[in-house]
Amino acid sequence: SQTIHQWPATLVQPVGSPLSLECTVEGTSNPNLYWYRQAAGRGLQLLFYSVGIGQISSEVPQNLSASRPQDRQFILSSKKLLLSDSGFYLCAWRAGPSSTDTQYFGPGTRLTVL
Amino acid sequence: AQSVTQLDSQVPVFEEAPVELRCNYSSSVSVYLFWYVQYPNQGLQLLLKYLSGSTLVKGINGFEAEFNKSQTSFHLRKPSVHISDTAEYFCAVSGSARQLTFGSGTQLTVLP
Repeated sequence: SQTIHQWPATLVQPVGSPLSLECTVEGTSNPNLYWYRQAAGRGLQLLFYSVGIGQISSEVPQNLSASRPQDRQFILSSKKLLLSDSGFYLCAWRAGPSSTDTQYFGPGTRLTVL
Repeated sequence: AQSVTQLDSQVPVFEEAPVELRCNYSSSVSVYLFWYVQYPNQGLQLLLKYLSGSTLVKGINGFEAEFNKSQTSFHLRKPSVHISDTAEYFCAVSGSARQLTFGSGTQLTVLP
């Protein structure tokens, strides 16, 4: 069966520090991968998605970037964190491009920027 | 383009009472509809989905939803809620895009 991992689970970082969040999926090949953010009291904001290695689409221009160095690995990064980067970051995967495919979510990373 | 509107941001309800969480969508193409639940500090978990066939869809934890094409709605219902159902619920639509479009969420709080 497929599983999705995210780490770390919790992170506290000072303003201006770099960021690296990692997401890996097991049990599937060539998944579509997604990064979402939930700010306090707000809904899901899609940040990036990827349909293959090295293929990244950005939904919202901002302080963050994403990379997909391997088929089942998706990384969210920042060179300098802002206070507004605080939130709950969720990685998700989908088996393919079909509209009927279910999207599955990881457990999330709680990021606090101080 | 597609969009999802969850009409209620917060729904308080007493334990063992019925509940309905409302979701309306708009899309210019055929849609597939999903409901997810999120417990505090956790990822989203799929409750149920409508792809085709019967418009009444049954999901996990006793929830069900009815797809109404004429009213462009996909409301989530449960006949008797428990304290453990307290969570945030998200409606989502999948159409021609590669990703789901989510509503803004409804916080369900079950009161003793």
